[in-house]
Amino acid sequence: AQSVAQPEDQVNVAEGNPLTVKCTYSVSGNPYLFWYVQYPNRGLQFLLKYITGDNLVKGSYGFEAEFNKSQTSFHLKKPSALVSDSALYFCAVRDLVGGATNKLIFGTGTLLAVQP
Amino acid sequence: GAGVSQSPSNKVTEKGKDVELRCDPISGHTALYWYRQRLGQGLEFLIYFQGNSAPDKSGLPSDRFSAERTGESVSTLTIQRTQQEDSAVYLCASSLGAVMYNEQFFGPGTRLTVL
Repeated sequence: AQSVAQPEDQVNVAEGNPLTVKCTYSVSGNPYLFWYVQYPNRGLQFLLKYITGDNLVKGSYGFEAEFNKSQTSFHLKKPSALVSDSALYFCAVRDLVGGATNKLIFGTGTLLAVQP
Repeated sequence: GAGVSQSPSNKVTEKGKDVELRCDPISGHTALYWYRQRLGQGLEFLIYFQGNSAPDKSGLPSDRFSAERTGESVSTLTIQRTQQEDSAVYLCASSLGAVMYNEQFFGPGTRLTVL
């Protein structure tokens, strides 16, 4: 079965320090991977995606993610965290099973808390 | 509009009542999705519409749930005889076409509370 795992419920980091939010996946075939961010009382916002090509993907707000096929991971990173980055982050993979359905399979989310 | 809109933003209802949630996708987006987000959990797929194709209803949790879409525009999600376990945020998303790597754009959600 296809799945996404975010092993950390919460990540705490000091402002200015680098941050990493972990994501691992399990799919049959080549994965299409996504990161979304959810601020309080708001919908999800797209950050970045991996389709093919360069393993390092750059996205919005200075975030980037590294695709690692051998480790089946797609960790989200940022060199220098901001307090305003504090939010709930979701990793997702496109469901490649079941024909043409384009639904996303989401992880359970990781709450990022950046302390000033 | 510029983004996906949903209404109402909040809905409080009594157990056993029917509710209807509305989604207006981004103009030109042929694909539309409904997801459910329970407190402290990830998003759970409910249903997917693509153009005039038959919708993928594989995520609907019971026959109390149904959804419709008029052409490539507005969609409504209906929950009949609501139960307390239906309490959640219901999120709608749309994307440009059926290309599998197109990102989905999400609305702000409807927070449903069943008393």
